[in-house]
Amino acid sequence: DVKVTQSSRYLVKRTGEKVFLECVQDMDHENMFWYRQDPGLGLRLIYFSYDVKMKEKGDIPEGYSVSREKKERFSLILESASTNQTSMYLCASSLRGLAGDLHDTQYFGPGTRLTVL
Amino acid sequence: AQSVAQPEDQVNVAEGNPLTVKCTYSVSGNPYLFWYVQYPNRGLQFLLKYITGDNLVKGSYGFEAEFNKSQTSFHLKKPSALVSDSALYFCLAAGNKLTFGGGTRVLVKP
Repeated sequence: DVKVTQSSRYLVKRTGEKVFLECVQDMDHENMFWYRQDPGLGLRLIYFSYDVKMKEKGDIPEGYSVSREKKERFSLILESASTNQTSMYLCASSLRGLAGDLHDTQYFGPGTRLTVL
Repeated sequence: AQSVAQPEDQVNVAEGNPLTVKCTYSVSGNPYLFWYVQYPNRGLQFLLKYITGDNLVKGSYGFEAEFNKSQTSFHLKKPSALVSDSALYFCLAAGNKLTFGGGTRVLVKP
């Protein structure tokens, strides 16, 4: 079974802090994703990565950055946390198809509920 | 712009009755279509996906989904709902980008 783990289930930070969310997958998947989940809005893609050191912006990248130094690990960084970044953050991974397509089944971590005060 | 609509925020159904969760999409090309389920305080779990071929797709836990190209719909169905099916369900269209629906909460009452 694919396992995707996230470093924290719950996190409370203060406005202006730098926040790191870590995600690790154990199935040698090439694609990794970061989403935020808000009620009524579903999941919105923040960033994804199709290879080490490679990244692509999703629909809502503003205020976020990512890092992928190793294939199994994908980090989401909030450079200066703000209250509107209070949300559930979900990481996912998938096998890569040809040319980095997005059609493969994604496997999700349990999520990190971040509260910014 | 691409969009996926799940028109019902919540669906209530009695245990043993059929369950339907609706999804329509507006996505260019021929997207892959997925259904995921989220139980409380958990990540999303894959249920099924449509790539091509037979319009009826069977998935995990007795769920199935019907693809209708003319109506651009991909409704999730289960013939006989269980209380344990109570959860949040998401539809996803994967084309040249990923677009999730807003989610539908299913409540199955005993």
